[in-house]
Amino acid sequence: DSGVTQTPKHLITATGQRVTLRCSPRSGDLSVYWYQQSLDQGLQFLIQYYNGEERAKGNILERFSAQQFPDLHSELNLSSLELGDSALYFCASSASDRNTGELFFGEGSRLTVL
Amino acid sequence: AQSVTQLGSHVSVSEGALVLLRCNYSSSVPPYLFWYVQYPNQGLQLLLKYTSAATLVKGINGFEAEFKKSETSFHLTKPSAHMSDAAEYFCAVTRNSGNTPLVFGKGTRLSVIA
Repeated sequence: DSGVTQTPKHLITATGQRVTLRCSPRSGDLSVYWYQQSLDQGLQFLIQYYNGEERAKGNILERFSAQQFPDLHSELNLSSLELGDSALYFCASSASDRNTGELFFGEGSRLTVL
Repeated sequence: AQSVTQLGSHVSVSEGALVLLRCNYSSSVPPYLFWYVQYPNQGLQLLLKYTSAATLVKGINGFEAEFKKSETSFHLTKPSAHMSDAAEYFCAVTRNSGNTPLVFGKGTRLSVIA
């Protein structure tokens, strides 16, 4: 158990809809990262937050947004969903704002868009 | 930009045989290199890391990797495969300074045959 909690574990929705994925980092970790894992693209970095502020941005679509709340949990919002958004979305956390590469991953939220 | 290339999307070995998973990196600055493992239906877990200290790095579960700058490689090895080693393995790279996100390879699925 990494200590990172993600909900929901599975989500099925239709094209055009909006979903919110939630992540609670390990106790004491201030950084939260979101990754998307798909068969064709592999693991793609989306965005990083540190103590409520955005720190790094990757290949995140404009239809996607994220935030980190004062209690350090984070949410990833995906809107106007398309079939290609079907993927496993991972949240990871670390103690530092500097990306030392030592990340603790949750078990992921599997999104299926029909 | 940094990247890693994992040679072979699927590797199959017999139980007790040597495990060799290949990773080559590209980085214009000294890298930090990592191997992560993903067991079925679980998040990624750090296996080992290279952060510019010893070039031969030992990790969990008997795995080790050697950083070879001249070959830009960071191959993962284990002398004797166990059935429980069956999983997806990811090589990853980041810079050794600053705040750049972890960049993952496409992964190599390891199967262990009894």
